Amino acid sequence: GQSLEQPSEVTAVEGAIVQINCTYQTSGFYGLSWYQQHDGGAPTFLSYNGLDGLEETGRFSSFLSRSDSYGYLLLQELQMKDSASYFCAVQTGANNLFFGTGTRLTVIP
Amino acid sequence: NAGVTQTPKFRVLKTGQSMTLLCAQDMNHEYMYWYRQDPGMGLRLIHYSVGEGTTAKGEVPDGYNVSRLKKQNFLLGLESAAPSQTSVYFCASRISLNTEAFFGQGTRLTVV
Repeated sequence: GQSLEQPSEVTAVEGAIVQINCTYQTSGFYGLSWYQQHDGGAPTFLSYNGLDGLEETGRFSSFLSRSDSYGYLLLQELQMKDSASYFCAVQTGANNLFFGTGTRLTVIP
Repeated sequence: NAGVTQTPKFRVLKTGQSMTLLCAQDMNHEYMYWYRQDPGMGLRLIHYSVGEGTTAKGEVPDGYNVSRLKKQNFLLGLESAAPSQTSVYFCASRISLNTEAFFGQGTRLTVV
């Protein structure tokens, strides 16, 4: 089986930096993805890490440590529009994609 | 660019009724997925397909069936709906493993 753990809620101030952690246990691991979902909307892809290290895409960065079964999403220069739920997802060897329960980020002025 | 389209967007069913949710993608993707999303539960994988004519069970397959007769379509069936199947259903597709998954806009299903 597989399990993913991430904090249920995070609050941060506009303009600040926030980190959302994800730890996982899977039977077979190929990579870790992050998705964003606004209320009432569909999840949208943010980033993917297949190898250890940091991937940067604009204000968002994602990190993976395979040896620690751990990753995080880093959001910089927070904006009000970043208020959303963020999901980590693991790619397993069985061709499927499993999601965590999500972290609800609230950005306050 | 239609991407991933789900039909219908909303539906109310009575307990015991059946229905089929349609997912269509126009990106020639091999992999397609059906998820359900409940408050506090994240996205849970129901069934998935790695190509035309193939399907496999995910985390929560009971009470659902799927078919992938054409590469672009992935159907999710509920043979006898139960209130526990009240949820938002999302379909997703991607071209290969380790690539971005594209999601449809969801189907909000209520079983009364």
